[in-house]
Amino acid sequence: QKEVEQNSGPLSVPEGAIASLNCTYSDRGSQSFFWYRQYSGKSPELIMSIYSNGDKEDGRFTAQLNKASQYVSLLIRDSQPSDSATYLCAVTPSGGSYIPTFGRGTSLIVHP
Amino acid sequence: NAGVMQNPRHLVRRRGQEARLRCSPMKGHSHVYWYRQLPEEGLKFMVYLQKENIIDESGMPKERFSAEFPKEGPSILRIQQVVRGDSAAYFCASSRRDSAYEQYFGPGTRLTVT
Repeated sequence: QKEVEQNSGPLSVPEGAIASLNCTYSDRGSQSFFWYRQYSGKSPELIMSIYSNGDKEDGRFTAQLNKASQYVSLLIRDSQPSDSATYLCAVTPSGGSYIPTFGRGTSLIVHP
Repeated sequence: NAGVMQNPRHLVRRRGQEARLRCSPMKGHSHVYWYRQLPEEGLKFMVYLQKENIIDESGMPKERFSAEFPKEGPSILRIQQVVRGDSAAYFCASSRRDSAYEQYFGPGTRLTVT
């Protein structure tokens, strides 16, 4: 069974710090990787996608992918209280399926 | 509103009744996915549809659950004879044909079975 693992947290960081969220996956052939942000009681919001090894930056967010080690991470620079949410990692399996497997999410708390 | 639309946002049903959840994909999107999220649990895939076709229903319970995406109108997730264990948030997501991996979620329907 293909699995996506995340530390449930909560991860608590002070405002202005860098928050680092990690995700590991079991399917070595996975091709597509996503980070979603979900505020309490709301729906997931796609914030980053990454398809190749290395870093991808978008504003304060950087996604990092290492296929050899089967992990993907999300860095949030200059964390703000408004970043407090649950971050879901999603991985699309090998074989061309569009159906991602979601991790259970990491709760991030940014305190002033 | 160009986003994914779902209605109703909240739905209360008594045990044994039917629940119908509707989803209109984002403009330009032709792929629809349904997910269920239980409290303190992750998102679980249920079904993937394109217009008039069920592509993958491997996550759908074998009984009481069905889904459709007709040529005209929204996608519908139907739950017959609801039980308390069906209480959850049901999310619909959509994607474009040429970027099918990137899914955008609607606001969800919170189903409560009493």
